[in-house]
Formats: sequence, C-alpha cells, structure tokens
Amino acid sequence: DTEVTQTPKHLVMGMTNKKSLKCEQHMGHRAMYWYKQKAKKPPELMFVYSYEKLSINESVPSRFSPECPNSSLLNLHLHALQPEDSALYLCASSQGRLAGGDEQFFGPGTRLTVL
Amino acid sequence: LAKTTQPISMDSYEGQEVNITCSHNNIATNDYITWYQQFPSQGPRFIIQGYKTKVTNEVASLFIPADRKSSTLSLPRVSLSDTAVYYCLVEGSGYSTLTFGKGTMLLVSP
Repeated sequence: DTEVTQTPKHLVMGMTNKKSLKCEQHMGHRAMYWYKQKAKKPPELMFVYSYEKLSINESVPSRFSPECPNSSLLNLHLHALQPEDSALYLCASSQGRLAGGDEQFFGPGTRLTVL
Repeated sequence: LAKTTQPISMDSYEGQEVNITCSHNNIATNDYITWYQQFPSQGPRFIIQGYKTKVTNEVASLFIPADRKSSTLSLPRVSLSDTAVYYCLVEGSGYSTLTFGKGTMLLVSP
C-alpha cells in the first residue's frame, strides 16, 4: 500500500464551526506533514511530525491544531477559521530520514471552504 | 535556506523532449534536489531526486552539474498527460528546508 488517504475530500464550514481533517498512511513512514495550498500557489509547509512528535510548526495560527495519535494517523483540528483559510490542505508522509533526501508521498488533499 | 528559481511556464508539443532548469545558488552540502509533478486539485507526485551528476528513472532524468547550483529535469517525449506544474525542491537535513519554489507550468499541445 503506497497511498496516503485524506478525508473528507471537500469540507465547507462556518467561522464558528469546529471540524477535523484526517490523514492516514500504512507505509510504515515515520514523518507526516500538513501543507496548505492556495490556488495557483505552491504548497506551504504548516506542520511536521517526526516519530509522532511535532518537529516543525511554521508559525501557524492556533486556530489550526495538529495531532498525531499514532504513526499512521495525522489529524488537523480546525476552529474559528477565517475565509482566507480556504485552501487545499495536503497531507504527506515520508520515511523520516533526517539526513535529507526523504521522498514525500502526498494525499489527494481536502478542499476546505470557510464561509 | 536554499531558494529555488524556475521558469514560470513552458510550452511544448507532443513527442518533444522538455528540459526544465531550476536555479539554487545557495544549496548546502547536505541538500538533495527533488522534483515533483502536480495536476490540478491533486497532491504533488514525486518524479525524481538526486544529489549530484545524473540520475535517471523510468519517467525522467535529472542533471546536476558539479557546482550543484542548478539542476535540469528532462522529460523525454512528452505527451498531453504531462501537462502539469513541476516543482523543484531543495531538501536538507531536518525539515526546516521544505520550501517549494513557485513551480513551472508545462503545457503540452498536440
């Protein structure tokens, strides 16, 4: 299984809602990532979990809260989002080679719309 | 942090070879160069990765000169389905260097 799955595919939420995005991989990877991608822009790194510990938080607002329950699962909890947070949210995983050259496998993304 | 520079767009025709060059002047000793392909509303897909000289796989080749300040992705005999955005990424040790460049939009015409 060389797939990263993300649910839901689409999500529409109001600014007062609380929702969660889910990401799963069964490749035995030990690093998992959240990216945000706006239209016609490159993916922007948000968070990295390495061996289930948060390694990187790229100054992301606290209304985004990541969680890594185990090595196969990654969640992104959303609360009090703004319309400008509407984007494609991508999850990725990799082996976790800290020395560099770590190929990332991306999921299909969740298209988030904040009203 | 190694910043990358790529052409914004390129046009080609089916059956031609396409070369996309990425500039990364301040690449560090431990950095690798990775190329990803992305179709609209999909996640990026790994194409190829290299450290130096030349790397080839079933879909592409990657040429890296000795000074490593640039790299060229070569796609042999492109087809319409190769129309996509191609990103060059310089990856170092740890995760703090994961910054995608602006990407190159490749349009392949019949």
